Amino acid sequence: EVQLLESGGGLVQPGGSLRLSCAASGFTFSTYAMSWVRQAPGKGLDWVSSISAGGRSTYYADSVKGRFTVSTDKSKNTLYLQMNNLRDEDTAVYYCAIPTVAGTGRLDYWGQGALVTVSS
Amino acid sequence: QSALTQPPSASGSPGQSVTISCTGTSSDVGGYNYVSWYQQHPGKAPKLLIYEVNKRPSGVPDRFSGSKSGNTASLTVSGLQAEDETDYYCGSYGGTNNPYVFGTGTKVTVL
Repeated sequence: EVQLLESGGGLVQPGGSLRLSCAASGFTFSTYAMSWVRQAPGKGLDWVSSISAGGRSTYYADSVKGRFTVSTDKSKNTLYLQMNNLRDEDTAVYYCAIPTVAGTGRLDYWGQGALVTVSS
Repeated sequence: QSALTQPPSASGSPGQSVTISCTGTSSDVGGYNYVSWYQQHPGKAPKLLIYEVNKRPSGVPDRFSGSKSGNTASLTVSGLQAEDETDYYCGSYGGTNNPYVFGTGTKVTVL
């Protein structure tokens, strides 16, 4: 059974940093692309970043480019999102998600989410 | 990276059908047969209902169906049940640098 478990959320001041983790199990980690999707309170889904299977290629939404960095640790089966220079508008629940087939716009499995609150 | 347009709300009586539209552009919905639909209950993660316009993952009832015409995709929920009352989001592939474009979301109410 595929399981994705996010951690690392919390309250941070504007301009601060936070690192989210997503521990994965139930599938061969290195063979799947992985993504982060966020949802601001009461709002819709918003793609943040993706990393290719094996981690060679990374992709970012314009709103986070230059501030967020996505990475993986194959030895720990874990996906990360390093978030720097956080802004009020980054406040959201952050989900990690994977497609069973990359490049098809589908996200088959989702974690339960981690809440990030940016506020002074 | 603009969001796809969905109506804010839709409703139907139990047993009836409701259809939700999702309008994009030739760069996303119209450019690929990679439209997905997600169901999200309050406080829960989204659940994949439809992928590649009209395919259902294992375990999703055939009451849920998808279609596409040009830049607009649609989700139809037939035989509405009380448990179908929640939020629905469409999604589309938008190219290598924009792999996931989501819709604005539609709240379905079962009257």
